[in-house]
Amino acid sequence: GAVVSQHPSWVICKSGTSVKIECRSLDFQATTMFWYRQFPKQSLMLMATSNEGSKATYEQGVEKDKFLINHASLTLSTLTVTSAHPEDSSFYICSARERVDGDSPLHFGNGTRLTVT
Amino acid sequence: AQSVTQLDSQVPVFEEAPVELRCNYSSSVSVYLFWYVQYPNQGLQLLLKYLSGSTLVKGINGFEAEFNKSQTSFHLRKPSVHISDTAEYFCAVSLKAAGNKLTFGGGTRVLVKP
Repeated sequence: GAVVSQHPSWVICKSGTSVKIECRSLDFQATTMFWYRQFPKQSLMLMATSNEGSKATYEQGVEKDKFLINHASLTLSTLTVTSAHPEDSSFYICSARERVDGDSPLHFGNGTRLTVT
Repeated sequence: AQSVTQLDSQVPVFEEAPVELRCNYSSSVSVYLFWYVQYPNQGLQLLLKYLSGSTLVKGINGFEAEFNKSQTSFHLRKPSVHISDTAEYFCAVSLKAAGNKLTFGGGTRVLVKP
């Protein structure tokens, strides 16, 4: 089956530094990738939709200058948390869709736990 | 805009007992419906989905769900749970349009007790 690889699985960084998280579709081309954020014991909140070759679409309330998304190829999207602060500590999950139609299944990565000290 | 409500935040259940997780949605247009499972510190795994056709959908690991359009519900059931079913379960919807994103419910934590 389709696999989405997310790296790193966990990262600890100091306040003020930037962290890059990678999301790769290993055996399919993903025209669209989604980035979610999940706080402890809460649901997934969509941060942005990443389309290959174009600018990401951010959800309301998500700072595009803080959460930089780059979807440079059909198999790779990256999320960079710039100037991270402790309140950015969270579980970040990416997902990828094989096709553009709405019933195309979403494949999820295993998430990245970010801790900002 | 669509929304999803999972009525139970936590459901304790004994091993080999049945379980039902409730999900209601609201949307002004037709939607696709999904149930996902999340094990600790992992991403989401698709249990089942309703796109069209039969309202009773069977998924992996013995789970099934029934789409009820009049009640705008998509409850998840399993007749006999195992310890390994302990996890977080999310109901989600997406609009029947190209490339649309998922909207998740708040999640239901299932704790299976021996």
